[in-house]
Formats: sequence, structure tokens, C-alpha cells
Amino acid sequence: EAEVAQSPRYKITEKSQAVAFWCDPISGHATLYWYRQILGQGPELLVQFQDESVVDDSQLPKDRFSAERLKGVDSTLKIQPAELGDSAMYLCASSFSGGQLDTQYFGPGTRLTVL
Amino acid sequence: AQSVTQLDSHVSVSEGTPVLLRCNYSSSYSPSLFWYVQHPNKGLQLLLKYTSAATLVKGINGFEAEFKKSETSFHLTKPSAHMSDAAEYFCVVQRGTSYGKLTFGQGTILTVHP
Repeated sequence: EAEVAQSPRYKITEKSQAVAFWCDPISGHATLYWYRQILGQGPELLVQFQDESVVDDSQLPKDRFSAERLKGVDSTLKIQPAELGDSAMYLCASSFSGGQLDTQYFGPGTRLTVL
Repeated sequence: AQSVTQLDSHVSVSEGTPVLLRCNYSSSYSPSLFWYVQHPNKGLQLLLKYTSAATLVKGINGFEAEFKKSETSFHLTKPSAHMSDAAEYFCVVQRGTSYGKLTFGQGTILTVHP
């Protein structure tokens, strides 16, 4: 069964450093999502791509976070500089077309710890 | 705007007894509703989804949920809990437009005692 791949699974960094996370969606899925899940809370959408275009980044802290999906396939989420409050699980999900009937499939996540 | 409220942060049951996880939603649009499960150190897995077809939705592993528009509820149930059901469960609402954004509840941790 096809899965969403993410790497690394765990990342420990010091504040003010730069970090990057990678996501490879299920083949053929046009829509890609990045979520942040703070411990004890539900995931919150950071950014949503339709192919290579951003369709929703209203919750992305744009002063330090950036995301790209240059060829409309895999995607990278970057944080620079990292802050203590960025410690969380970063989840990537994909769906076929992003419509209401689509199911979002989630990857295993990257757990970020900022020291 | 859309939102989800999971009424219990923790639920504890004995193996073999029924499970009830409660969820109320608010949405300006005709919503789709989901339940996802998250086992420790694993990704989110879809249990079931409601998309305006039958109001009683059956999912995997014996779970089901009933959409009640008059009560704005979408409670998750299972007749008999199994030890492997211990996990965190999220109720999720999706706005009824293209490129539907998912809004998650805060989660309910289910503990199953032998």
C-alpha cells in the first residue's frame, strides 16, 4: 500500500539554527499538506499545495517558516531560525485532488525538539 | 468558520465494554466529518468519514459514528473495546468547498483496561 514518506523522523536542534523537513506524497496525489501538532493538541494546517501552487498558508509564520513544492511532487518545509516554541510534530499529508470527498493520508511525522 | 469540540480529553473503559467518544462540530458550510486515530509513534489513520450520504457511518475495526445535524454531533462508538484500541482519537471537520481544510479537535485519549 502506498504511503506518505517523511524524513527525518526525529530532529534535535538548537534555537536559532535552521531545520528542514522533507515529504514525499503518495504518487499521483496533487494536494499536499503540512500540519504542526503541538503536544496535547490536534494537528493544525500550516500550508496546503495544489500541485506546485500554495492555496492556503494563512497559518504559516512567514517570518521564519517557508515551504516549497517546486515540481509539484515532493515538498520541503524549512524553519529559520528555529525557536523553542517550534518544538512539535510536523505532519505531511496528501490527497488525490483536495476536494471534499478526498481522504487525506498522513505520513509518520517528524518530531522536532528545539533546545 | 468551522470548529470541533471533543467533549472528553480522556476516556477509560474495560476490555469488552462499549466505547463512546463524543464530538460536536460547528461549520458554516455543509461539512464532511472524520474520525482519525493516532497510535503512539505512528501516523494518523482514517477510521471513518461522513460526506452527506448515510448518517450512520461504519469504519474500520468495528467503529461507527452517527451524524446528527440537529445536535451538531458526530459521536464515535464501538460495541466492545479491545486492548489494541488504546490510542488517541481525533474528530475532524472539513469545510464544504474545494481544497477542503481539515480542522482537528483536541483529541481524546482512550485507555482500555484488561
